[in-house]
Amino acid sequence: NAGVTQTPKFRILKIGQSMTLQCTQDMNHNYMYWYRQDPGMGLKLIYYSVGAGITDKGEVPNGYNVSRSTTEDFPLRLELAAPSQTSVYFCASSRPADPRGAFFGQGTRLTVV
Amino acid sequence: EDQVTQSPEALRLQEGESSSLNCSYTVSGLRGLFWYRQDPGKGPEFLFTLYSAGEEKEKERLKATLTKKESFLHITAPKPEDSATYLCAMGGATNKLIFGTGTLLAVQP
Repeated sequence: NAGVTQTPKFRILKIGQSMTLQCTQDMNHNYMYWYRQDPGMGLKLIYYSVGAGITDKGEVPNGYNVSRSTTEDFPLRLELAAPSQTSVYFCASSRPADPRGAFFGQGTRLTVV
Repeated sequence: EDQVTQSPEALRLQEGESSSLNCSYTVSGLRGLFWYRQDPGKGPEFLFTLYSAGEEKEKERLKATLTKKESFLHITAPKPEDSATYLCAMGGATNKLIFGTGTLLAVQP
């Protein structure tokens, strides 16, 4: 049981480039989330999904897009990368009303230069 | 506005020196107060969930408590392996979490 798997672990992008952060979970969880974590700022919710074909914006969605075509996968797309998107990105998943909250991946550290 | 505030930002303890971390929150309807542990370069790892004032949960040297406005994570006789960032989060609809900024704990031998 791998849990939540994110790829890549590290990436350097140039300003204006695009990329997709991959996230897959093998726990058959309905809910999936993308958070970003900046130093001293805590984790902020970017987008979330309650099931295949359903996505919604979180607190900081600007500059990002998501899709959810399967239960397992929830990729995060960055278009026209900007230095402000330098951060550590975490994907997470959970079941409805799970008392353990969410299970997190190991993170993707992204630097935009 | 729903908000979570953690203090202190950083805490340095000697091995065996007990202390407490604070998490204060303002929310219209709490759907769980979560504590996570985060090691460097890793994702947050679940510790506890508390749902109502007066509730307490324990795990090894850690005990979490909840009042109507705040939660405490008590660390009794800590060891160096307890060094990590401890995150507090409020639960919302669809299990969305609102996180505090965390407390970086360092336990020196």
